[in-house]
Amino acid sequence: GAVVSQHPSRVICKSGTSVKIECRSLDFQATTMFWYRQFPKKSLMLMATSNEGSKATYEQGVEKDKFLINHASLTLSTLTVTSAHPEDSSFYICSASDDSYNEQFFGPGTRLTVL
Amino acid sequence: QQQVKQSPQSLIVQKGGISIINCAYENTAFDYFPWYQQFPGKGPALLIAIRPDVSEKKEGRFTISFNKSAKQFSLHIMDSQPGDSATYFCAAINAGGTSYGKLTFGQGTILTVHP
Repeated sequence: GAVVSQHPSRVICKSGTSVKIECRSLDFQATTMFWYRQFPKKSLMLMATSNEGSKATYEQGVEKDKFLINHASLTLSTLTVTSAHPEDSSFYICSASDDSYNEQFFGPGTRLTVL
Repeated sequence: QQQVKQSPQSLIVQKGGISIINCAYENTAFDYFPWYQQFPGKGPALLIAIRPDVSEKKEGRFTISFNKSAKQFSLHIMDSQPGDSATYFCAAINAGGTSYGKLTFGQGTILTVHP
């Protein structure tokens, strides 16, 4: 199946700093990428949907100035958590989809810990 | 109307037994129903999926049963193994409209298979 990578897998940062998470589709062109947030023992919560070359669409309640998403190419999307605070600590997961839309291939996730 | 309700929240099964996880949905626009398996600290991985024009789909030890009139679908894991211990999520995708391509996840089921 299609492979999606995320980098870094874990990041620990101080409160007030910004953190960038990369999501790459390694063997297919991802026209759409999705960013999720997952709390322990909870389901995935969709944060935003991004299409290559256009602005991301954010879900209700997700601050777009807080979580900056860029989808610069068909294989790369980035999520930047700006001025991170301890409440932003979470497991962030991206997924990528080609034109079929039905299949989403998930990355391995990034564990963010804000001290 | 976008919800997918999943049960049970947790499930304990003996090795060799059958694990059954149930999901129910309300939105009749959903037209693709995948199941994901997630191990701790990892991203979800597609396990098996079904479309509503099929009542059952089997892949190895995993079977999806689909009841369109009842708007319910379930995952059966035959001959459950300790390596199947993971969190399982059902999901649904909306074919069109503003939710195109977005996955709606169930709440998740933590499966533990005892040796």
